[in-house]
Amino acid sequence: DAKTTQPPSMDCAEGRAANLPCNHSTISGNEYVYWYRQIHSQGPQYIIHGLKNNETNEMASLIITEDRKSSTLILPHATLRDTAVYYCIVRALYNQGGKLIFGQGTELSVKP
Amino acid sequence: KAGVTQTPRYLIKTRGQQVTLSCSPISGHRSVSWYQQTPGQGLQFLFEYFSETQRNKGNFPGRFSGRQFSNSRSEMNVSTLELGDSALYLCASSLSGRGAGELFFGEGSRLTVL
Repeated sequence: DAKTTQPPSMDCAEGRAANLPCNHSTISGNEYVYWYRQIHSQGPQYIIHGLKNNETNEMASLIITEDRKSSTLILPHATLRDTAVYYCIVRALYNQGGKLIFGQGTELSVKP
Repeated sequence: KAGVTQTPRYLIKTRGQQVTLSCSPISGHRSVSWYQQTPGQGLQFLFEYFSETQRNKGNFPGRFSGRQFSNSRSEMNVSTLELGDSALYLCASSLSGRGAGELFFGEGSRLTVL
C-alpha cells in the first residue's frame, strides 16, 4: 500500500506557483521523499527527492516539514506543460532497488 | 543519450494468447524494472532485474514473467492473457537501482486484450 496521501486534484493558474502537498506521517528515518510526474500517455518523470532538508533543482523545490510527516512540491511558475499527475513516494534509499510504490497522485491542471 | 526504449508501443491480443514486451535501458544502466498501469489499480510494480537476476517481485501471478540479458535489455512475458491484462506496461531503468539515483521510464507498451 502507498504510504502517502495526496489530494486527488488541484488547479493552478498559468504563471503562478503550484504547491502540491503530500502527507507521509508514517515515514521512517531512512526513507526519502520522491516526486515523479506523469504527463498523459507518457512514462513517469523524476522531479526531485529529499530526506529532511529543503531541496531545489531546475524543475521544482521540495519543502519537507521538520517532523518529516509532510512535504510540499513547489513548481514556481507553472506552465500549461506542467499539467500532469504528480506522485509523492516514500522510498528507503537502499534495499528497494527499482521498486516504487505509487499512490493515486494529484492531478494538476494548469489553466490559462 | 538515448532514453529507455520499449517495443512494441501498441499491440492487440486475444484472450489465451501470450505476449512478449521488450525494454532497452539507457546505456550503462544495469537495473530494469517493470510496471503495469491500469485505470483501476494505477501504477503497480511487477518486478525488477539487475545483472540478469530478478531482485524484486511484485504481487502478480506467475503468468507474468521476465528476464534480463547480459546487455541489460529486458523482456517481460505474459502468458494466457486475460481481459484484465489490458494495460500500459512501463519499463524503467537506473544505474544500479540503489542509492540516490532516479528511475528513468520509457513511453510504455499499451496492450489491449480482446
